[in-house]
Amino acid sequence: AQTVTQSQPEMSVQEAETVTLSCTYDTSESDYYLFWYKQPPSRQMILVIRQEAYKQQNATENRFSVNFQKAAKSFSLKISDSQLGDAAMYFCAYRSARRNDMRFGAGTRLTVKP
Amino acid sequence: DAMVIQNPRYQVTQFGKPVTLSCSQTLNHNVMYWYQQKSSQAPKLLFHYYDKDFNNEADTPDNFQSRRPNTSFCFLDIRSPGLGDAAMYLCATSSATGLRYFGPGTRLTVT
Repeated sequence: AQTVTQSQPEMSVQEAETVTLSCTYDTSESDYYLFWYKQPPSRQMILVIRQEAYKQQNATENRFSVNFQKAAKSFSLKISDSQLGDAAMYFCAYRSARRNDMRFGAGTRLTVKP
Repeated sequence: DAMVIQNPRYQVTQFGKPVTLSCSQTLNHNVMYWYQQKSSQAPKLLFHYYDKDFNNEADTPDNFQSRRPNTSFCFLDIRSPGLGDAAMYLCATSSATGLRYFGPGTRLTVT
């Protein structure tokens, strides 16, 4: 079974600074997808960024980028120029290309200080 | 434009009294999921439908059932809610590329 590990239960960043959230995963598969989801206090899960395992290029979405290290099974999220609205729980997630289920990490609570 | 809609947003039920949570989607996705999320925890997959094919997670209690009468709707039935079933229930759909679209959730309280 695939597992997703987020080793940082809480992180804090100063507004306008950069923060990196860590995620590692365990799988024996070669084809899969990785995601970062944001869940603000309203509890709606919002997709932040997505990475296909077969792509070597790291995904980027405006201020959000990932560092995907396939061999190390690492998938970290970098948030640049942090804004107060970035404060939320961030979940890393894994989905096999062969299966429909998605596995989530335990989450990292990000606080943004003004 | 709401894409995944969950009703109600808040549901209170009594211990042991059956309850049904509703999810609908306007995306025409063929996969729909139900997750349970307890406070400060990751969402836990309960089951999902691929079209009409039902896929139950091995550790989902029998107390939880689901129905999908058509592509747009999916229901979560809790036959005899216990206090431990109080949680946020998230519905999600999936496109062919695997992107998940989540609904806003239904917060279930069991009294």
